[in-house]
Amino acid sequence: GAGVSQSPSNKVTEKGKDVELRCDPISGHTALYWYRQSLGQGLEFLIYFQGNSAPDKSGLPSDRFSAERTGGSVSTLTIQRTQQEDSAVYLCASSLGQGGFDGYTFGSGTRLTVV
Amino acid sequence: GDSVTQMEGPVTLSEEAFLTINCTYTATGYPSLFWYVQYPGEGLQLLLKATKADDKGSNKGFEATYRKETTSFHLEKGSVQVSDSAVYFCALAPRAAGNKLTFGGGTRVLVKP
Repeated sequence: GAGVSQSPSNKVTEKGKDVELRCDPISGHTALYWYRQSLGQGLEFLIYFQGNSAPDKSGLPSDRFSAERTGGSVSTLTIQRTQQEDSAVYLCASSLGQGGFDGYTFGSGTRLTVV
Repeated sequence: GDSVTQMEGPVTLSEEAFLTINCTYTATGYPSLFWYVQYPGEGLQLLLKATKADDKGSNKGFEATYRKETTSFHLEKGSVQVSDSAVYFCALAPRAAGNKLTFGGGTRVLVKP
């Protein structure tokens, strides 16, 4: 597609429920990233996929968080047993490969509210 | 590890004023440097970038120069408009493959008419 697409744009869930957030990167982009932006804070790296390589999961805050990328394209970020501190905007980005040279294209994010 | 430090906001300016947002970084090697902008209610957009020392990135009247000697990448604009009100993020990425962006904390800019 023309840009990075994320769905849903907003999600309200009850504490303890599982949620799935979807990211559809730009066609042909081999690298995909998830970041989290909490209220009043900067962006926190969560996970990175590059082609068929093992993902870099070093930013995932707990084992309640997981992500997968199917067929080198669409990615799903899953949060199990959500907690109130999980409330944030979850941003997905993709790049052609060498993101260090090209930068990344971000989606508009999914605003997650845990009540 | 890599880190980015940028001035805290909010920065409040009048229209046509000069804007500077300071950004310094710590990284091994020679990273690429970026400024991203987030307008109210929108996602992050790449504003400009520089990939090597002394490069100047520019876009929409904004400029930033990659200063290796001072490890800085300050953002400037000579005459801001109300439409420049946004949050600005400085970021770096190592050159190596498998890199990821490290962001500063963001600086909120409010331009008043």
